[in-house]
Order: sequence, then structure tokens, then C-alpha cells
Amino acid sequence: EAQVTQNPRYLITVTGKKLTVTCSQNMNHEYMSWYRQDPGLGLRQIYYSMNVEVTDKGDVPEGYKVSRKEKRNFPLILESPSPNQTSLYFCASSLATSGGYNEQFFGPGTRLTVL
Amino acid sequence: AQSVTQLGSHVSVSEGALVLLRCNYSSSVPPYLFWYVQYPNQGLQLLLKYTSAATLVKGINGFEAEFKKSETSFHLTKPSAHMSDAAEYFCAVSVLTYKYIFGTGTRLKVLA
Repeated sequence: EAQVTQNPRYLITVTGKKLTVTCSQNMNHEYMSWYRQDPGLGLRQIYYSMNVEVTDKGDVPEGYKVSRKEKRNFPLILESPSPNQTSLYFCASSLATSGGYNEQFFGPGTRLTVL
Repeated sequence: AQSVTQLGSHVSVSEGALVLLRCNYSSSVPPYLFWYVQYPNQGLQLLLKYTSAATLVKGINGFEAEFKKSETSFHLTKPSAHMSDAAEYFCAVSVLTYKYIFGTGTRLKVLA
């Protein structure tokens, strides 16, 4: 089954404790992206990656890191989480045909709470 | 810079009534426009997309949207609402890059 998987699905942590949210896709997609969803703000793009070793900032990259060492994986790293990073996080992937008009496939989400 | 505005954070319709969810965009170049739907406790899935091929776009589950350049709008419609349409709907824009801007979402409630 074609899918995007995220782990963990739920996470409660404390301020300053480094964490990683994993994202993996089995569709051989070149493009992957991370979003955060907050009430009243919709989805905001954190980082995206056009291919292995190619990443770029979205609209809200502060406090996050990413890496793309393999085509299928795109982990999101919070080196020192803070309470304002409490949110629902989504990973997405798509083909990378030029122009950015491809359908994005979304994972099920990771609900993160930082105390 | 591009932006997306969704009017109405909550919309209620009766079952069988017309669904109209509004989306206006701002872009200095021709945009790619999308509507995604999010059911409770799930990720987003694509309803339809506009990529300049046709101004009236048909999507899944009976939804369609019309691109109106003069009004910078891309409103989502469905002639007859079904209980299963209750969800949150997001309009999104991409302009020549892989950066996506999503609207703040409209939660659709369908009344029996």
C-alpha cells in the first residue's frame, strides 16, 4: 500500500529535550515536506526537500532541522523543543515534476506536546 | 508574495443543500491551486487541483471548483451535501516553486 508513515503518532516531552520525528514514504517520491497545523492558522510549511541532500526552508523553519540522506526518509529534528512548538505535525511527499503542481500525499500526523 | 484567504472558518449546511466554500488567493504569477480535505484524526487528501488546463475543475466525491482570474478566486462547491462531507477543507497555492501556502481552513458541518 502506498503511504507516508510518521513516528511517533503522539509525543509528550519537556522543554529542551532533543527529539526526532521520523517520516518515510514508499512511493519513490523525490519531494518531501514538513508542516505544522495549529488552530486558526491552518498548515504552515516548515522545510521541504526536492531530493536527497537538497533541502530548503519553508515559512516557519526556526527551531527545526531536517536531513535527507535517503530518498524515502525525511526526519524532523527539534534540537531544543519549546512549548510554542506544541502542534500537530504532518509529513507529505509527492513527485517533483517541475512547477510544484503535483498532489501531495500526507502522513497521519504526529501530535507533539512540549511541557 | 502569494497568499490564500478562506472566508468562514465554520460553515453549516443541511444535508442535500449546496456546499460553497470560499477561497481567494493573491499571486503575482499564475498559480497552481489545490483543495484538500481533512477528516477527523487523519492527514489531508487531495480533492482537486487547478493547473491552468481548465478553469472548471472536477474532483472526487462530487466536488468541483472554478478558477476565476478576474476575482482571484477558487471556490469549492458541491450541489448536494452528504453527512460524510463533514470535515475540514483547506485551499492551498503553489507558485512555480515547491513552497506551498495553505489557508486557515473551513470546517464544514452537515446538519441532518
